[in-house]
Amino acid sequence: TQLLEQSPQFLSIQEGENLTVYCNSSSVFSSLQWYRQEPGEGPVLLVTVVTGGEVKKLKRLTFQFGDARKDSSLHITAAQPGDTGLYLCAEPYNFNKFYFGSGTKLNVKP
Amino acid sequence: ETGVTQTPRHLVMGMTNKKSLKCEQHLGHNAMYWYKQSAKKPLELMFVYNFKEQTENNSVPSRFSPECPNSSHLFLHLHTLQPEDSALYLCASSQGDREYEKLFFGSGTQLSVL
Repeated sequence: TQLLEQSPQFLSIQEGENLTVYCNSSSVFSSLQWYRQEPGEGPVLLVTVVTGGEVKKLKRLTFQFGDARKDSSLHITAAQPGDTGLYLCAEPYNFNKFYFGSGTKLNVKP
Repeated sequence: ETGVTQTPRHLVMGMTNKKSLKCEQHLGHNAMYWYKQSAKKPLELMFVYNFKEQTENNSVPSRFSPECPNSSHLFLHLHTLQPEDSALYLCASSQGDREYEKLFFGSGTQLSVL
């Protein structure tokens, strides 16, 4: 069983601040996905990273996959209240199965 | 029309009730899932159906009974639940045959068992 550890568990910041959240494992990821779950909704896929060292950008969000594929980070620049939500990392394996982390709950205050 | 639709959004039931959760996907996917989301715990996979066949039953108690009549519809039948079953139940779908599957979730059913 793959254990995905996410940190921090909770983060409360002011609008305009930058932040980074992390997803780590003791084992190598085959690939890694980041999802965002807004209050009252289901998770929505943001990005999939596959190659060690890969960096992907989605507007103000920057996703990084560690060189050894054991960790990943999500950096948000100039956070906005619309970024509020639960950020989940997940590893797909064996076609229809996914390991999920417990998530980082982000609150961006106006 | 949203890709994955779940009904009802909220459900309150007693321990002796029988109810069903419904999920419908309009994405042409072949795999459908039930996940349970409790506070401070990772998403827990309950059931997976791929091409209408159940491929995963993650040691779920028999008081939860899934049904997948076709690739677009998934049900979760509930009976004699316990208060600890209160949680957000999420349905998801995926293509079902890709190396890097992507999950598309519904908005969930918030279940409270009294």
